[in-house]
Amino acid sequence: AQKVTQAQTEISVVEKEDVTLDCVYETRDTTYYLFWYKQPPSGELVFLIRRNSFDEQNEISGRYSWNFQKSTSSFNFTITASQVVDSAVYFCALRGGGNYGQNFVFGPGTRLSVLP
Amino acid sequence: DTAVSQTPKYLVTQMGNDKSIKCEQNLGHDTMYWYKQDSKKFLKIMFSYNNKELIINETVPNRFSPKSPDKAHLNLHINSLELGDSAVYFCASSHPPGNEQFFGPGTRLTVL
Repeated sequence: AQKVTQAQTEISVVEKEDVTLDCVYETRDTTYYLFWYKQPPSGELVFLIRRNSFDEQNEISGRYSWNFQKSTSSFNFTITASQVVDSAVYFCALRGGGNYGQNFVFGPGTRLSVLP
Repeated sequence: DTAVSQTPKYLVTQMGNDKSIKCEQNLGHDTMYWYKQDSKKFLKIMFSYNNKELIINETVPNRFSPKSPDKAHLNLHINSLELGDSAVYFCASSHPPGNEQFFGPGTRLTVL
C-alpha cells in the first residue's frame, strides 16, 4: 500500500528564514513518482514538481529546492529566504504502479505560515 | 485560458437534495479525476476516468455518480445529500495517466 507522511502539521517562520518541509513515503513499487503541491489561502492546488524514482538528482527552482533520497524514502522541500506569499498548505504526493493514475496518494499536508 | 474549470464554485443546499458539479479541461488530457478535501484539508481521490472509461472507484457511497460525456468533461452527481458530504470537491486532469495532475479551482459544497 502507498503511504505519504508529512510529520509537520504546522510550521511558522519569520520572513527570510529558510524552512524545510519533510515528506516520507512508503511504497513497494520499484517505479514511482513523487510530487509537491501548494495550496495557498485562496484554495487552488498548484503543482510544483514531479520527481521519478529513478532520478535522484536534487532540483532547484529559484528559492525552492527539493532533496530526494531513496535510502531514507524522503522527498523534502526547502524554501530559502521565505516570503509571506509562501504561506500555504503544502502537500507531498506519491503515485505508485498502475497505468492510469491508480495509487495516487496525498500526504496530510503541512501548513506553513510565514510571518512578516 | 482556464485549464481545468469547475462549476459552480460554491454550492449550498439542503439535506436530501440532488446536485451536480461540472468539470471541463482544455488541456487535451485523457485522464480526469475527482477528489474530496475535508475540513482538515485531507485530500482523497474518489474517481478516475481515462478516455471516458472509469478506472478508479474508491470506497465512495453510491450516491456519488460520475459521468464523462467525453474526455474533456467529467461531471459529478450526488444524490440524497448528507451533512457529511460538505467538503471542497476538486476536479483534476493529467496526461499521460498518473503524471502530475492539474486541478480545477474547487467547488465548496455545504449541506445544511
